[in-house]
Amino acid sequence: GNSVTQMEGPVTLSEEAFLTINCTYTATGYPSLFWYVQYPGEGLQLLLKATKADDKGSNKGFEATYRKETTSFHLEKGSVQVSDSAVYFCALSMEAGNMLTFGGGTRLMVKP
Amino acid sequence: DAGITQSPRHKVTETGTPVTLRCHQTENHRYMYWYRQDPGHGLRLIHYSYGVKDTDKGEVSDGYSVSRSKTEDFLLTLESATSSQTSVYFCAISQGGGNSPLHFGNGTRLTVT
Repeated sequence: GNSVTQMEGPVTLSEEAFLTINCTYTATGYPSLFWYVQYPGEGLQLLLKATKADDKGSNKGFEATYRKETTSFHLEKGSVQVSDSAVYFCALSMEAGNMLTFGGGTRLMVKP
Repeated sequence: DAGITQSPRHKVTETGTPVTLRCHQTENHRYMYWYRQDPGHGLRLIHYSYGVKDTDKGEVSDGYSVSRSKTEDFLLTLESATSSQTSVYFCAISQGGGNSPLHFGNGTRLTVT
């Protein structure tokens, strides 16, 4: 079946540091890939997405590139802020019904 | 934010009692989903709906049932709650299609004692 693996957290960084959160996937076929972010006490929000190989999704300074050869979709940001502290989820979708398969989530803590 | 309301936001119940969680949307989206969130597991799909009266099982459907009698409402029922169903439950909606994003509600925290 399909699965998503994320690096375990928490990831603790100082403000303005570079962020990478690794995500790899296993899927039969060519999925769409997503990153969602969850702030405390809230539901998940779509951060960015990519729908085919070599696509780059970007939003709010975050980027991720769909790498079919390595089945990866790593999340990066050049300079994190305290307000980026949240839990980040990588996910894939294979079907028209858009049922997402999620990774376990990675908690990011950014210190001033 | 997408118009999704989950109720209640918090509930404590005893083992063996029935519980119903409600999800209400104002977006007229075709697809609705129930996920549960547990530490280390991310979110796992319980059930989903692709239209009024059209529902199907997800990855962790045992012990849960759903109903969708109107486009805007999707109910999740635990017929006889167990401690393993203590979790945070999220409703999500989507217009459908593999590229359409899901929009999530703010969750219901359920504790089964």
